[in-house]
Amino acid sequence: DGGITQSPKYLFRKEGQNVTLSCEQNLNHDAMYWYRQDPGQGLRLIYYSQIVNDFQKGDIAEGYSVSREKKESFPLTVTSAQKNPTAFYLCASSPGTARTEAFFGQGTRLTVV
Amino acid sequence: AQSVTQLDSQVPVFEEAPVELRCNYSSSVSVYLFWYVQYPNQGLQLLLKYLSGSTLVKGINGFEAEFNKSQTSFHLRKPSVHISDTAEYFCAVSQTSSNTGKLIFGQGTTLQVKP
Repeated sequence: DGGITQSPKYLFRKEGQNVTLSCEQNLNHDAMYWYRQDPGQGLRLIYYSQIVNDFQKGDIAEGYSVSREKKESFPLTVTSAQKNPTAFYLCASSPGTARTEAFFGQGTRLTVV
Repeated sequence: AQSVTQLDSQVPVFEEAPVELRCNYSSSVSVYLFWYVQYPNQGLQLLLKYLSGSTLVKGINGFEAEFNKSQTSFHLRKPSVHISDTAEYFCAVSQTSSNTGKLIFGQGTTLQVKP
């Protein structure tokens, strides 16, 4: 079954701790993306990567970091520098061209306690 | 820069009634247009997309959308909704000249179908 797997589905973090969200795809897509979703704000791009070992900041990259060591994997770290990390995080992948749609994982809901 | 505005944050409608979810975009360059649906605590699923050609695009689950270049709109319609259509709907654009596949999303519209 081809698709995108995000884990965990729910995550709780104490203030001041870093936490890493996992995203794996087996669609052989070149591009991968991380979006943050907050109520009433739609999806905002955090980081994206078009090829292995390369990634670019999106609109709200502050307080986040990523890596792309393998084509299949694009983990997101929410650092303690992110002031308001509680949100729903969505990972997506696509062939990487403008006319192709993105495929989304099921999301990770992060709550800071 | 592009931006997307979904004109209604919530749309309540009775089952079997028609519905229209409105989307306007702003862009100085040509764009491709997409509608996605999100069920509670799920990821997004593509409903339909406009790339070129006929301005009326048909998608899954009986949805269709019409691209209007002069109005810079891409409204989503369904002639008769079901309870199962209750979800959040997102309009998105990508720049045709982009080689990144990045999407710009609207704020979302929650469709609430009542029995």
